[in-house]
Amino acid sequence: EPEVTQTPSHQVTQMGQEVILRCVPISNHLYFYWYRQILGQKVEFLVSFYNNEISEKSEIFDDQFSVERPDGSNFTLKIRSTKLEDSAMYFCASSSISIRGTQYFGPGTRLTVL
Amino acid sequence: DQQVKQNSPSLSVQEGRISILNCDYTNSMFDYFLWYKKYPAEGPTFLISISSIKDKNEDGRFTVFLNKSAKHLSLHIVPSQPGDSAVYFCAASLYIQGAQKLVFGQGTRLTINP
Repeated sequence: EPEVTQTPSHQVTQMGQEVILRCVPISNHLYFYWYRQILGQKVEFLVSFYNNEISEKSEIFDDQFSVERPDGSNFTLKIRSTKLEDSAMYFCASSSISIRGTQYFGPGTRLTVL
Repeated sequence: DQQVKQNSPSLSVQEGRISILNCDYTNSMFDYFLWYKKYPAEGPTFLISISSIKDKNEDGRFTVFLNKSAKHLSLHIVPSQPGDSAVYFCAASLYIQGAQKLVFGQGTRLTINP
C-alpha cells in the first residue's frame, strides 16, 4: 500500500541553524501539506502546496519557513534559522484531491532545537 | 483555537464492548470530517471520514455519526479489540480559496482492557 515517507526520523540542531525536512508523498497525489505537533499540544496546520505554489499557510508559517518540490518526488520544509520553540514533530501529508480529500500522513520527523 | 474539541483526554473500555469517542466543533464551514488513529512515534493513520451532507458512515467495526445541528460527531468501535488502543484524533476539513486544511482536536487516548 502506498505511503508517505519522511526523513530523517529525528533531527537535532543548534538554535540558529538551518534544517531541511524531507518528505516523499504518495506518487499520484497532487496536494501536499506540512503540519506540526509540539509536545502535549494539538496537531497544527502549517502550509498546503499545489502546482508548485503555496495554496495556504498559517500564522506559524512565517518568513523563516519555506517549502519546495525540488523534483518529481520530494517535498521539503526548510526552517532557515531555527528557534527553541520550533522543537516539535513535523508531519508531511498528501492527498489526491483537494475538496473533501483524505490526507495521508507520514511517520513524522522529530526536530529538537538545542 | 478551540474550533475542534475532544473533551475526553482518555477512555478505557473492556475488550469486546463498544468504544465511543466524541468530538465537537464550532465552525459551520467545515465540510468534511475525519478520524485518525495514532500510535507513539508514528504519524496519524486515517481511519474513517464523513461528508457534511451525510449523518452516518460505516466501515467494518468503525462507524462515524455526524449531528450537524449539534455540531457533534462520534466514532463508534464495536467490538473493541486490544489493538485499538491508541490516541484517536478528530479532524475537520476547511476548504478556503482552493486549499484544504485540517483542524485537529486534542486527541483521546483509548485503552482497551483484556
